[in-house]
Amino acid sequence: AQKITQTQPGMFVQEKEAVTLDCTYDTSDPSYGLFWYKQPSSGEMIFLIYQGSYDQQNATEGRYSLNFQKARKSANLVISASQLGDSAMYFCATQAGKSTFGDGTTLTVKP
Amino acid sequence: DTGVSQDPRHKITKRGQNVTFRCDPISEHNRLYWYRQTLGQGPEFLTYFQNEAQLEKSRLLSDRFSAERPKGSFSTLEIQRTEQGDSAMYLCASSSVQGPYNEQFFGPGTRLTVL
Repeated sequence: AQKITQTQPGMFVQEKEAVTLDCTYDTSDPSYGLFWYKQPSSGEMIFLIYQGSYDQQNATEGRYSLNFQKARKSANLVISASQLGDSAMYFCATQAGKSTFGDGTTLTVKP
Repeated sequence: DTGVSQDPRHKITKRGQNVTFRCDPISEHNRLYWYRQTLGQGPEFLTYFQNEAQLEKSRLLSDRFSAERPKGSFSTLEIQRTEQGDSAMYLCASSSVQGPYNEQFFGPGTRLTVL
């Protein structure tokens, strides 16, 4: 069984500042992937970043980076230099075959 | 590549009616997933296919739900005898096991309202 916990229902950040969105996971699979998706108000789910359970280094994709702490079972998303267009719901998910999603964090970027 | 498409985008039906949704994945993707999302929640897994084989189905799915992917391309999700609790956004996603991450590409969803 897989479980994702996102403890921040909503977050605010000032434009151009960095923000960290928390995610903890629980899985019995020895090999798994961790994903972050963005869902703007328009509704589409957009893939942001991936971390494999055996990857030695934290994943980075442009302004997105993943703070992966395997022993603590956490995979926090860091968004640097926030932009107004980053305002959206953010979902953490684990995948081994199917995906299990958390309930998301609503990020609001203030001008 | 036009991405994942879903049809219809919106469906309003009366309780007790049957509805069918269609999903066309990205053409070279061999995996196809169905999720249900209600307001304020994350997507909830329903089922997924690899090619035409249905590999897993959620235990949350009642017998009123059935999905097919007959030729390993498009898929349909049918809900029989709809109930008001079925009102949700139904998301389809596809992925390629050959991809570096096997990340899922999502369609725009079908919003179902059961009156």
